[in-house]
Amino acid sequence: AQSVTQLGSHVSVSEGALVLLRCNYSSSVPPYLFWYVQYPNQGLQLLLKYTTGATLVKGINGFEAEFKKSETSFHLTKPSAHMSDAAEYFCAVSPPNTGNQFYFGTGTSLTVIP
Amino acid sequence: DSGVTQTPKHLITATGQRVTLRCSPRSGDLSVYWYQQSLDQGLQFLIQYYNGEERAKGNILERFSAQQFPDLHSELNLSSLELGDSALYFCASSVAQQRGYNEQFFGPGTRLTVL
Repeated sequence: AQSVTQLGSHVSVSEGALVLLRCNYSSSVPPYLFWYVQYPNQGLQLLLKYTTGATLVKGINGFEAEFKKSETSFHLTKPSAHMSDAAEYFCAVSPPNTGNQFYFGTGTSLTVIP
Repeated sequence: DSGVTQTPKHLITATGQRVTLRCSPRSGDLSVYWYQQSLDQGLQFLIQYYNGEERAKGNILERFSAQQFPDLHSELNLSSLELGDSALYFCASSVAQQRGYNEQFFGPGTRLTVL
């Protein structure tokens, strides 16, 4: 069975500081990996995804994530936080050959302190 | 704008009632997914349809049902509503190749309040 763990349901950073949101998955076969962002009262928006190839992937709004197979992790980072980054972030995995079914983590709420 | 539309945006109803939520996927997407998001349960996958057929089931209650029509729009029916059904219901769509590397595009959601 798939599980996705996002450590830290709430993360606070100062404006300009590094953002690090953690995601670990449990799977015998490396899944496809996604990060979504949800702003208040809106739907989820894709930030970035890893399918194959380069393990460091870049997404929108300056975010990037690195797939580390040995650590079963896909942590999301941004070098310098902006006030507009305050939102809920969800990590999701999609096991290969399952018809695109997603398993979401419980989310991390990011607060940016001015 | 993801291209996925959901109606209505808000729905307020009473316990015991039945409601229907509607979703139109992005043009060209054959697969539709329904999710429930609540404060205590997070984002829960309910059900997936692919080209009119049920593909996968998640934590969907027996009081809930869904279908996907020939024009690919989908409806989620919630019956015998309880207070605990109050939540945001999201629809998502994707091309949904079997391999599973296609992102899902989410609609804006329907906020259901059961009084």
